[in-house]
Amino acid sequence: DAKTTQPTSMDCAEGRAANLPCNHSTISGNEYVYWYRQIHSQGPQYIIHGLKNNETNEMASLIITEDRKSSTLILPHATLRDTAVYYCIVASGDGSYQLTFGKGTKLSVIP
Amino acid sequence: NAGVTQTPKFQVLKTGQSMTLQCAQDMNHEYMSWYRQDPGMGLRLIHYSVGAGITDQGEVPNGYNVSRSTTEDFPLRLLSAAPSQTSVYFCASRDSLEETQYFGPGTRLLVL
Repeated sequence: DAKTTQPTSMDCAEGRAANLPCNHSTISGNEYVYWYRQIHSQGPQYIIHGLKNNETNEMASLIITEDRKSSTLILPHATLRDTAVYYCIVASGDGSYQLTFGKGTKLSVIP
Repeated sequence: NAGVTQTPKFQVLKTGQSMTLQCAQDMNHEYMSWYRQDPGMGLRLIHYSVGAGITDQGEVPNGYNVSRSTTEDFPLRLLSAAPSQTSVYFCASRDSLEETQYFGPGTRLLVL
């Protein structure tokens, strides 16, 4: 699986959009980008995933660059409950059985 | 649905003791897995199973055994606990037709 690079930490004001970047320059053609988050040592929670098109669901939007070497997770209106560690993971459709977690980005939403 | 459940929530062991961490899911998912998370680190895959009777090793399998006799249950066994196995253990499951993995609440293990 391709490796990912994320900033260690980020701050975001409550109510503003949180934009979390991820670099995955060695991603292969059949590999997806997944985002999970972990709130205060709870089990990780799935957020969104995509292959090459931008994706949106009720939680977030995922923007993948045209060359697929990087992506951005967008939380449109961050709340205090969004404070968590966010993990960007790259895995193939079959390999998504085996997720490789890095250290992620610690997002702190500030009142 | 209860989702993915794990027991116990917290356990203290002495070095050399054995124990089994329980994991169950009620979503009829074929795929189940075990991860460990050490302080300040991401999760690392220990073992996984793609269906009843089928298991395989992940990134850090040493010191752990698994079996999958039913679709619902995937226990993780520590045969002889070591302080290096102090960690938080997460179980996860996934349907073969979906992309989402569902994680349990975790078991916090302290080995003295």
